[in-house]
Amino acid sequence: EVHLAQSGIETKKAGESLRISCRASGYTFGTYWIGWVRQRPGKGLEWVAMIYPGDLGNGRSQTRYNPSFQGQVSVSADESLNTAYLEWTTLQSSDTATYFCARHPSFWTGYFFDHWGQGTVVTVSS
Amino acid sequence: YLLTQPPSVSAAPGQTATITCGGNNIGNKKVHWYQHKAGQAPLLVVYDDGDRPSGIPDRFSGANSGHTATLTITRVDVGDEADYYCQVWDGSSDHSWLFGGGTRLAVL
Repeated sequence: EVHLAQSGIETKKAGESLRISCRASGYTFGTYWIGWVRQRPGKGLEWVAMIYPGDLGNGRSQTRYNPSFQGQVSVSADESLNTAYLEWTTLQSSDTATYFCARHPSFWTGYFFDHWGQGTVVTVSS
Repeated sequence: YLLTQPPSVSAAPGQTATITCGGNNIGNKKVHWYQHKAGQAPLLVVYDDGDRPSGIPDRFSGANSGHTATLTITRVDVGDEADYYCQVWDGSSDHSWLFGGGTRLAVL
């Protein structure tokens, strides 16, 4: 059974750094993309970034970012730990949200997220 | 590219709920639908306009044509109360994975 286990609640101050995680199980981690999706309080879903943890031939993970988040966050993955990460170097109060990780099949299969994590609540105080 | 959903929809138990997702020529794109209950992981209920993942009951169906995609839930019950989001991939935009604003389904 596919399962995405996300790290716990985070309470931080503006200017601090943060890395949240998403540990996958039940499938071969390196053969699916992992996406990150933000949900601000009372708002809808927004795509943040994607990472393909496996090797597509150039020896490193592939990433894609929503331009609205480019430079604000970074995604990474450790295939040996079956874990993907979303990281901030400098948090802002506007980063307060729940962040979901979600599995995404290969692009020739489709462009949707077929399994989701339970979400990590991030609260940033100014 | 914008996806427009009504903020809320209601239906009586046992009746049919219809949730729309509007977008310019959305019929030319593949539309996916997610159910999201508060405090839980979102759940894919329909993908590629009208296909259902394993385990999703056939009460959930989707259609897509012209400028409107539709998620239909027949024989609704209180367990279907949730926010529903449509999603497309827009290859012409860097904001590639786009979600609608979400529709709250109330089962009254």
